[in-house]
Formats: sequence, C-alpha cells, structure tokens
Amino acid sequence: KQEVTQIPAALSVPEGENLVLNCSFTDSAIYNLQWFRQDPGKGLTSLLLIQSSQREQTSGRLNASLDKSSGRSTLYIAASQPGDSATYLCAVERGEGGGADGLTFGKGTHLIIQP
Amino acid sequence: SQTIHQWPATLVQPVGSPLSLECTVEGTSNPNLYWYRQAAGRGLQLLFYSVGIGQISSEVPQNLSASRPQDRQFILSSKKLLLSDSGFYLCAWTLTGGTEAFFGQGTRLTVV
Repeated sequence: KQEVTQIPAALSVPEGENLVLNCSFTDSAIYNLQWFRQDPGKGLTSLLLIQSSQREQTSGRLNASLDKSSGRSTLYIAASQPGDSATYLCAVERGEGGGADGLTFGKGTHLIIQP
Repeated sequence: SQTIHQWPATLVQPVGSPLSLECTVEGTSNPNLYWYRQAAGRGLQLLFYSVGIGQISSEVPQNLSASRPQDRQFILSSKKLLLSDSGFYLCAWTLTGGTEAFFGQGTRLTVV
C-alpha cells in the first residue's frame, strides 16, 4: 500500500527566505506526482504536476523535483511571501491505472511566512 | 475553461439522517471523477472514483455510496449518517492520461 510522508509537518520562516518542503513515497511505481496548496477551509489548488518520466517542473517562484527511484520529491519556494502561507500537500497517482485511479496524499506541511 | 461546482458548502445533519452531496464539472467531456474526505488530523483519503457513467470504484468500505448518473455529475450519498462521517468532502476531476487533478471548494459536513 502506497504511503506518502511530508516533512516537516509545520514550518514558520520570515519573509524573503527560500525554503524546501519534502515528500517521500514508499512505492516508486507512480504515474505522476502533484503538489497542491490548501488555504484554511478551502479546496485544493494545483501547483505543479510532474509526470513519472520527468525530473522537475517550474512555475514562477516554485520548483518541484522528482526522484522516482528513491521515492522523493521536493518543493522549492523562492523568495517567500506572506501570501504563500498555506498547507502544502504532496500526492502521487498509482501507476497501474493509466492516471485514473486517484491520488494518495501526504498529511501536508503547514507553512507560515512571517511579514 | 473547465470549472467544478460542489454544493452545499456546509451541512449539519443529525445522526441517522440521509445525505446527498452533488458535484458537477463544466467545460470538459468524459472526465474521471473522484470523492475524497479530509478528516481532522488525517490526510485526504480517496473514497470513490469513476471513469464513466455508471462506473464506480470504491476505495474503502464505509457507510457511503456514490453514483454517476450523467457524464459530468457525481453524487455522494448515505442512507443513515454516522458521527464518524463528519469531515470535509472534496470532489475532483482529471482526464485520462495522468493530467492535473482539479478540486472543488469542498463541503464541510458535521454530523450531530
């Protein structure tokens, strides 16, 4: 059974710092990996999708990497801003279903950026 | 552009009452549809997924059921709610081939 772990569970840093969020998964047979952002009481916003054949994806100040063989992904946030405060979730899609079987999520990293 | 609608936003129901949550997707055809639950202190858990009309796969045994009467409509139901059914329910969609998953705004269900 796939398990996804995110470290740290919570993080508080001053504005302007670069930071790294970590995600690990136990079964390397994934179809893709996705990073989401969740604001309190809200749904999930997709940040980055990395297909299993890719190594990284970038969007603005965000960069996500994937090392499928070691079961690890990192989300790098450059020049953090107070608006980045949210819970960040990592999720993997099972490999057998052609991308239709749904996601297994980590419990998230609760990020606070201090002004 | 594609949008996903989920309602109601909040719901308070007594134990033993029925439940019906609805999700609809606009702007795409033949989406894969999903119901997830986020309980306090636990991660998001996949409950059901559907790759087509009338096709439902369940991930965990539970007090809930799902139906897909139309291509872009997904319904989560229960005949008798339990206290343990409380949580934040999220609907999502993807396209076959491992595309991004897009989520609705969620329904906060409190069973009292």
